Amino acid sequence: DIVMTQSPDSLAVSLGERATINCKSSQSVLYISNNKNYLAWYQQRPGQPPRLLIYWASTRESGVPDRFSGSGSETDFTLTISSLQAEDVAVYFCQQYYNTPWTFGQGTKVEIK
Amino acid sequence: EVQLVESGGGLIQPGRSLRLSCTTSGVTFGDYGVSWVRQAPGKGLEWVGLIRGKAYGGTTEYAASVKGRFTFSRDDSKSIAYLQMNSLKIEDTAVYYCTIQIDYWGQGTLVTVSS
Repeated sequence: DIVMTQSPDSLAVSLGERATINCKSSQSVLYISNNKNYLAWYQQRPGQPPRLLIYWASTRESGVPDRFSGSGSETDFTLTISSLQAEDVAVYFCQQYYNTPWTFGQGTKVEIK
Repeated sequence: EVQLVESGGGLIQPGRSLRLSCTTSGVTFGDYGVSWVRQAPGKGLEWVGLIRGKAYGGTTEYAASVKGRFTFSRDDSKSIAYLQMNSLKIEDTAVYYCTIQIDYWGQGTLVTVSS
């Protein structure tokens, strides 16, 4: 199974400042034949289901604010919130869908400093 | 608008069975696979497995933790997916979500396994 490891487990950022979350996979999730990284990022607010933010490692889902961006390739990925807003307080998960079993990172809790 | 609604959760004793339903709308259900993901209270996300769409023969895959106890099925005529859970264990306690692709998620249904 591919192990997904996020860092940090939690972070506190001031409103308007940048938040950066890292995700590392135990093996590459880059599919060579189509040059796509099978990596997604989700936001989960308390009491809510996960919401897809980013897929193919860097493609923003429709309706997601452009302050959210994803980057990285193969085994190392980053989710960046360029200017943290109050509504961004949540837990963020990365997930690989390169192969089954799909696996998730342990989550990163983002709070306001 | 795509909607997924899980139902069938509740309090159940260890060793008993429960069937969850995932009722969908706004999508050509038969064309898509349905995945199930669960989240134990205060914990992270765990993939339970998936059932593929008709183009892929409706094949299934299961997480090791549920293989042999859980079974996926689907009724494309009703746009509903099912999760049959047998021999339930306390550690199966979680909110169970159904998802289509990775885009669409239901609100989840809570399954509590306790004596």
